[in-house]
Amino acid sequence: QSALTQPASVSGSPGQSITISCTGTSSDVGSYNLVSWYQQHPGKAPKLMIYEGSKRPSGVSNRFSGSKSGNTASLTISGLQAEDEADYYCCSYAGSVFGGGTKLTVL
Amino acid sequence: QVQLQESGPGLVKPSQTLSLTCTVSGGSISSGSYYWSWIRQPAGKGLEWIGRIYTSGSTNYNPSLKSRVTISVDTSKNQFSLKLSSVTAADTAVYYCARESSSSWANWFDPWGQGTLVTVSS
Repeated sequence: QSALTQPASVSGSPGQSITISCTGTSSDVGSYNLVSWYQQHPGKAPKLMIYEGSKRPSGVSNRFSGSKSGNTASLTISGLQAEDEADYYCCSYAGSVFGGGTKLTVL
Repeated sequence: QVQLQESGPGLVKPSQTLSLTCTVSGGSISSGSYYWSWIRQPAGKGLEWIGRIYTSGSTNYNPSLKSRVTISVDTSKNQFSLKLSSVTAADTAVYYCARESSSSWANWFDPWGQGTLVTVSS
């Protein structure tokens, strides 16, 4: 299984919305497999933000949402806040393969 | 709530075997339909799934590490363990344990342990 492709970095200003993409193939993201998304602050363990493509665990802000189109899954963060600055990773059910990670900078 | 904690040597010599244990607290490792996974992260790099175990003892491993990995479970101690043999500097990483849930078309890791740094060096 090949790693999923994410942009190395994205940025946005407080209050804005940003979207992080996670591109796979028809064998993983594009099939019936649904991705999960994780947030990781420096020196901390990853935290589950989205599972089954679009579901939020209890306690995760509704500013975080997930979607999928074709071979690409997306994580959207609306109303950007300073505390959202972190690395974000997607993970596909197929082979439990992670994306390379995206560094989100809040300007 | 369930919490996980990794433990084991922080320094391993090249060619030796890395051994880590994850202790589960706040709930029984045998309750519910969960897998228990190991994931690692080299400094400044991304996450790599190593493998998983079910409390029945069935395992799945990352094909790229399969020949060197063994994951086991001790339900009496509420622990599961990782052994990685013939280590090299490329195995230097923070190692995380995590509980894995799954449905028909998805899996996800939650919660995670805090992670433990293992350095491979002579």
